[in-house]
Amino acid sequence: ETGVTQTPRHLVMGMTNKKSLKCEQHLGHNAMYWYKQSAKKPLELMFVYSLEERVENNSVPSRFSPECPNSSHLFLHLHTLQPEDSALYLCASSQDPAGAPDTQYFGPGTRLTVL
Amino acid sequence: QKEVEQDPGPLSVPEGAIVSLNCTYSNSAFQYFMWYRQYSRKGPELLMYTYSSGNKEDGRFTAQVDKSSKYISLFIRDSQPSDSATYLCAMNSGGYQKVTFGTGTKLQVIP
Repeated sequence: ETGVTQTPRHLVMGMTNKKSLKCEQHLGHNAMYWYKQSAKKPLELMFVYSLEERVENNSVPSRFSPECPNSSHLFLHLHTLQPEDSALYLCASSQDPAGAPDTQYFGPGTRLTVL
Repeated sequence: QKEVEQDPGPLSVPEGAIVSLNCTYSNSAFQYFMWYRQYSRKGPELLMYTYSSGNKEDGRFTAQVDKSSKYISLFIRDSQPSDSATYLCAMNSGGYQKVTFGTGTKLQVIP
C-alpha cells in the first residue's frame, strides 16, 4: 500500500450507531488531518495531529472524536450523528507542519450517510 | 466575505482548448498557493504549489499568482478529457498554518 488509505470507503449508519473511520499513511509524514467535504462547500478542517498530539480542533461537535495512536494511523470515532453530518470525510497527511508549504496528501475519503 | 472565492462552474470546454481557472482571496497574509485536482469519488491530489507572486509551469499546467490583486490562476493548455475533474485552490500563510480551500471548480473537457 502506498500513500494515504482510508477505510471503509462507504458507510451508512443510523443516528444511534457508533462507528469509526480509519486512516493510514505510508509516507513517513508527521502530521495527519481530518477534513469534511460537503457539496458546494470548501473543505472544512476538523482536526490536526502533529507527532500524535492534537494541535487543532476547529470547534467540531463532540459526537466526532479523533484518535491518533501513532504517526501513521488516525481514527475518527462517530456516535449519535445527525443527518447533516452526511458528507465525504477525508484524511490527509503532510511531512512537517512547521515546514513550508504545508502540502497535504489526501486519502480517497469515506462517503458517510447518516439516516 | 469568504476568505477564498472560487466559481463552482461547471465549466465545459472542447478538447484542446486552453482552460483558465481562478480564485480570489482576501487574506493578505497568504503566501503559499496550491492547486489540487479531485476526480470523482477520489481525494484531492496536489497538482502544483507556488510561493508569493509569479508563475510556475509544469508540463501543460501553469500556476500564476498576483498578490497585488489577490488573484490566482491555473491554466491548462491542450486540455484533455482526462483533465475532467474538480479543481480546488488552496492557500496558507506558511509553515504550520491552516490551509484554506476554495469550493472547487468542476471542469469537463468534451472529446
